Amino acid sequence: DAGVTQSPTHLIKTRGQQVTLRCSPKSGHDTVSWYQQALGQGPQFIFQYYEEEERQRGNFPDRFSGHQFPNYSSELNVNALLLGDSALYLCASSPGPGGLVTEAFFGQGTRLTVV
Amino acid sequence: AQTVTQSQPEMSVQEAETVTLSCTYDTSESDYYLFWYKQPPSRQMILVIRQEAYKQQNATENRFSVNFQKAAKSFSLKISDSQLGDAAMYFCAYRKPMEYGNKLVFGAGTILRVKS
Repeated sequence: DAGVTQSPTHLIKTRGQQVTLRCSPKSGHDTVSWYQQALGQGPQFIFQYYEEEERQRGNFPDRFSGHQFPNYSSELNVNALLLGDSALYLCASSPGPGGLVTEAFFGQGTRLTVV
Repeated sequence: AQTVTQSQPEMSVQEAETVTLSCTYDTSESDYYLFWYKQPPSRQMILVIRQEAYKQQNATENRFSVNFQKAAKSFSLKISDSQLGDAAMYFCAYRKPMEYGNKLVFGAGTILRVKS
């Protein structure tokens, strides 16, 4: 059983460009959350998708947007990249959007470098 | 807003010995979940142990156990019989139960080094 898979593993972009990161959840999971982890810091919640809708959002600007597909996979899009967007982007999947669900599986992340 | 604080940026332990990582949190909620995650150099976040706030009994998973002090808002992780494979970044995390929303709030992390 494949866990959470993210692509690509590494990415280098130029300031001002746009980027799309992809995530496939663990089998049986229908909810995807995205986190940004700056170097030496803890992950920060960006947003969560369930039933193809954004259900919860952290304190991130509108440059960060996402999408969830009918097969539960998800994309994170970042427009007008800033140097400060350089970070490890983690995807986490879970079998449900909240409530008593405490299980969350993380992927290995996408390392984004903005130059 | 909920916050999680890990006051130890780095800890070291001798192989086979015991180490305790500290975590405090701030919340006005009475019902919530607490977690310890391990992040090795491979970058994948791995769940080590979880605690439901309504449970008075401290959670235990093999060599890992927690000391949950709800009144003090403290949630420390004890690793017994430390192994070289335990070396990693450890994150304490909090989650408020919501119908829609399983946002985790993480601390800044503690680097654990294991000496042979």
